[in-house]
Amino acid sequence: EAQVTQNPRYLITVTGKKLTVTCSQNMNHEYMSWYRQDPGLGLRQIYYSMNVEVTDKGDVPEGYKVSRKEKRNFPLILESPSPNQTSLYFCASTLGLAGTNEQFFGPGTRLTVL
Amino acid sequence: AQKVTQAQTEISVVEKEDVTLDCVYETRDTTYYLFWYKQPPSGELVFLIRRNSFDEQNEISGRYSWNFQKSTSSFNFTITASQVVDSAVYFCALSEGGYNTNAGKSTFGDGTTLTVKP
Repeated sequence: EAQVTQNPRYLITVTGKKLTVTCSQNMNHEYMSWYRQDPGLGLRQIYYSMNVEVTDKGDVPEGYKVSRKEKRNFPLILESPSPNQTSLYFCASTLGLAGTNEQFFGPGTRLTVL
Repeated sequence: AQKVTQAQTEISVVEKEDVTLDCVYETRDTTYYLFWYKQPPSGELVFLIRRNSFDEQNEISGRYSWNFQKSTSSFNFTITASQVVDSAVYFCALSEGGYNTNAGKSTFGDGTTLTVKP
């Protein structure tokens, strides 16, 4: 089954404790992206990747890191989480390099930083 | 910079009413792509439609229709004879194509929460 998976689905952590949210897709998509969703603010793009070893900042990259060492995986790293990073996070992938096709979204990761 | 505005934060209708969700976008690129996604109460994001900037044809899919007007930079979404299952948050989104600095960036509107009452 074609899908985007994210782990963990739920995470409660404390300020400053490094964490990684994994994202994996099995559709051989070139493009992958991370979004955060906050009430009333829609989805805001954090980082995106147009191919292996190619990543770039979205609109809200501060406090996040990403890497794209393999085509299927695009982990989101919070080196020192803070309470303002409490949010619902979505990973997405799509065919092509520029993200101009329909995006397939993971189920979301709800992160709480205390 | 690209921008998507969904001015309607919340809409409430009674079942079988028609409802239109507005989307206005801003872009300097001549090649761009517009999308609508649905997020039902269960939380997943579901793709509904994609339209490129060179195709202004309106589209109808069952009870759903989309009206794309470049002259007003709008890409509105109409649900005819709404049903309770249509209750969801709907997002309009924009991606720029071509070889420009925004290639790869994807901008979503803040979403419109539609409630359809029985």
